[in-house]
Amino acid sequence: EVVMTQSPVTLSVSPGERATLSCRASQRINNNLAWYQHKPGQAPRLLIFGASIRATGVPARFSGSGSGTEFTLTISSLQSEDLAVYYCQQYNNWPPMTFGQGTRLEIK
Amino acid sequence: ELQLVQSGGLVVQPGGSLRLSCAASGFIFDDYTMHWVRQAPGKGLEWVSLITTDGGGRYYADSVKGRFTISRDNSSLFLQINSLRTEDTALYYCAKDYGSGAFNYWGQGTLVTVSS
Repeated sequence: EVVMTQSPVTLSVSPGERATLSCRASQRINNNLAWYQHKPGQAPRLLIFGASIRATGVPARFSGSGSGTEFTLTISSLQSEDLAVYYCQQYNNWPPMTFGQGTRLEIK
Repeated sequence: ELQLVQSGGLVVQPGGSLRLSCAASGFIFDDYTMHWVRQAPGKGLEWVSLITTDGGGRYYADSVKGRFTISRDNSSLFLQINSLRTEDTALYYCAKDYGSGAFNYWGQGTLVTVSS
């Protein structure tokens, strides 16, 4: 099983500042990685797939990078509506498909 | 408009059984692999199961293998859960595969509570 480790667990960022979230895979997963945004009371929302491809309708301030085992989600200019938990997910080696434990993004 | 509409929440006793459903519309359902993902209270997301387009491929997380059965018909996805345990208490989501393994649409979730 591929173990996904996200850091930090909690991130506090001021509006307008940059937020950088990290995700590490326990083995190489090429670029078969997705990022999701999960707000309370809502279903998760796909932000990024293929490590760096924005899903339909996702604002340009969200970007993904990385390959192999190290990946990053960057929010270039944080907005108040970006308050959420963010998960990475690998779909290279399955079953099982595996998620990271999540990074809680707080607005400072 | 693409929609995944899930059945309502349930309270079930340990050892019991239930069937979750997810009705799909707004896309060619037969063309996509479908998944179940769950979130236990206060925990993160956990992939549970997937079924391929023709139903010929069915895969499960080790934590549910032998107790959960995924199935589909021409417009709905199902999850049969037997021998329920308290640790199965969670919000269960159905999700549509993008075609690569990422999940681009999700249902609203069904809360399953296992309690005596």
